[in-house]
Order: sequence, then C-alpha cells, then structure tokens
Amino acid sequence: EAQVTQNPRYLITVTGKKLTVTCSQNMNHEYMSWYRQDPGLGLRQIYYSMNVEVTDKGDVPEGYKVSRKEKRNFPLILESPSPNQTSLYFCASSSMTGGSNQPQHFGDGTRLSIL
Amino acid sequence: RKEVEQDPGPFNVPEGATVAFNCTYSNSASQSFFWYRQDCRKEPKLLMSVYSSGNEDGRFTAQLNRASQYISLLIRDSKLSDSATYLCVVRENTGFQKLVFGTGTRLLVSP
Repeated sequence: EAQVTQNPRYLITVTGKKLTVTCSQNMNHEYMSWYRQDPGLGLRQIYYSMNVEVTDKGDVPEGYKVSRKEKRNFPLILESPSPNQTSLYFCASSSMTGGSNQPQHFGDGTRLSIL
Repeated sequence: RKEVEQDPGPFNVPEGATVAFNCTYSNSASQSFFWYRQDCRKEPKLLMSVYSSGNEDGRFTAQLNRASQYISLLIRDSKLSDSATYLCVVRENTGFQKLVFGTGTRLLVSP
C-alpha cells in the first residue's frame, strides 16, 4: 500500500530535549516536505526536499533541521524544542514527474507538545 | 493580506443541501489549484484538482476564475460524510512544489 509513515504519532516532551520525527514514503517520490498546522494559521511549510541531499527552507524553518540521506526518508529534527513548537506536524511526498498537478500525499500527522 | 483566503465557517447545512465554498488567492502567477479535505485531527487528502475550464467529480464541482483570482467548490446533495474541513490550496510559481494552504472552511452536515 502506498503510504507516508510518520513516527511518533504523539509526543509530549520538555523544553530543550532534542527530538526527531521520522518520515518515510514507499512511493519512490522525489519531493518530500514538512508542514506544521496551527489553529487559524493553516498548514505552513517548514522544510522541503526535491531529491537526496537537496533540502531547502520553507516559510517557518527556524528551530528545525532536516536531512535527506535516502530517497525514502526525511526526518525532522528539533535540536532544542521550545513550547512555541507545540503543533500538529505533517510530512508529505509527491512525484515530480507528470506535470504540476501531482498531488501531495500526507502522513497521518504527529502531535507534539513541548512543556 | 493572506495569500489564500477562505471563509472559516462553519457552514451548517441539512443533508441533501447544496453548499458552495469560495477561495481567493493573491499571487496572480499561481499555477495549479486544488481542494483538499481534512477530517478532524487527520491528514489532508486531495479531493480534486481545479482546472481552468472547471471540472466535476460526482457531486463535487470546482471552478477557477483566473481574472478574479477566485476558486470555488460546489457540493450537491450533501451527505453526513461530507462533514469535514475543506482546504483551498494553490501552487505558486516560486518553486516546483510550493503549496500555499488556506486555513480551511468547516462544513457540518446534519440529518
């Protein structure tokens, strides 16, 4: 089954304790992206990657890091989490062939609470 | 001004009703347009792409007006299962996959 898998689904942690949210897709997609979703603000892009070893900042990259060492994986790293990073996070992937109407496939989401 | 604006709702309608959502976008060079559906605390899922000539998928009809920078979604014969938040999404020309999401319009369909 084609899917985007995020882990963990839920995490409560404390300020300053490094954490990583993993994302993996099995569709051989070139493009992967991380979003955060907050009430009244919609989904905002954190980072994206168009291929292995190619990453770039989205609209709200501060406080986050990513890596793309393999095509299928795109982990999101919070080196020193702070309470303002409490949010619902989504990973997404998409093919880059077939035109600009390719949809993005989203993972189930990760709900992070930073105390 | 937000890049993609939607009426947040909620729209409360009875089963069988027809309901329309509107969306405006600010970047006139935007290339592609979509409606996504998001159920509470779940991931967004593509409902349909929006084409310049307008397109229909069963009970759902999407329209695009590039001159007015306006997108619409019409749902006919609403079902209880249509209750969700509908996200207007625009792909800009600043990057291959730069998607800008509206904050969504919430629809509640009641018996």
